[in-house]
Amino acid sequence: DTAVSQTPKYLVTQMGNDKSIKCEQNLGHDTMYWYKQDSKKFLKIMFSYNNKELIINETVPNRFSPKSPDKAHLNLHINSLELGDSAVYFCASSQGRGAWELFFGEGSRLTVL
Amino acid sequence: SQQGEEDPQALSIQEGENATMNCSYKTSINNLQWYRQNSGRGLVHLILIRSNEREKHSGRLRVTLDTSKKSSSLLITASRAADTASYFCAVWGQNFVFGPGTRLSVLP
Repeated sequence: DTAVSQTPKYLVTQMGNDKSIKCEQNLGHDTMYWYKQDSKKFLKIMFSYNNKELIINETVPNRFSPKSPDKAHLNLHINSLELGDSAVYFCASSQGRGAWELFFGEGSRLTVL
Repeated sequence: SQQGEEDPQALSIQEGENATMNCSYKTSINNLQWYRQNSGRGLVHLILIRSNEREKHSGRLRVTLDTSKKSSSLLITASRAADTASYFCAVWGQNFVFGPGTRLSVLP
């Protein structure tokens, strides 16, 4: 069984559209994250979510919003997509915050045309 | 910024050689982690070293940490073609912050 799974793996859409990426972890972890990896492979934290506490990277536009229906899921909603949103988005989870190993999903490649 | 910065940005070696990658960071840390990313895949955790540790081994991997120099190194011994990947260090601030990575190519 895949520990951290994301869907869809690929997403191609037009500018201005709204889209969602889903993430589920079956590890029983308390903390989940969304990272954005740009074309130069640089990974940037977008959000972390732990016990209903959301920590947002202040540089993330408010068009991006995480939604967590339960501890095992952290979905990413993106409104009014822009060309610069094209990237690979990674979901990750960890047992807690701090000195814990991160488990990553396989990524969702978003292309905005 | 807590950001780790790896160097070199890219490294190309022959199979069987050792590969050394370095990571520098700017502020005090609790721990530092190394991850590997194969092309088109997610990141995979390799090793975690705590701030009170100086060296750690895992198979062919050896990680050192020098908190006085705010730097860490990852050594892969007897490299294999399958080690071809990008390697990232990550340091913990309010969240894990990753460096830009080192792209390692191991030529058969």
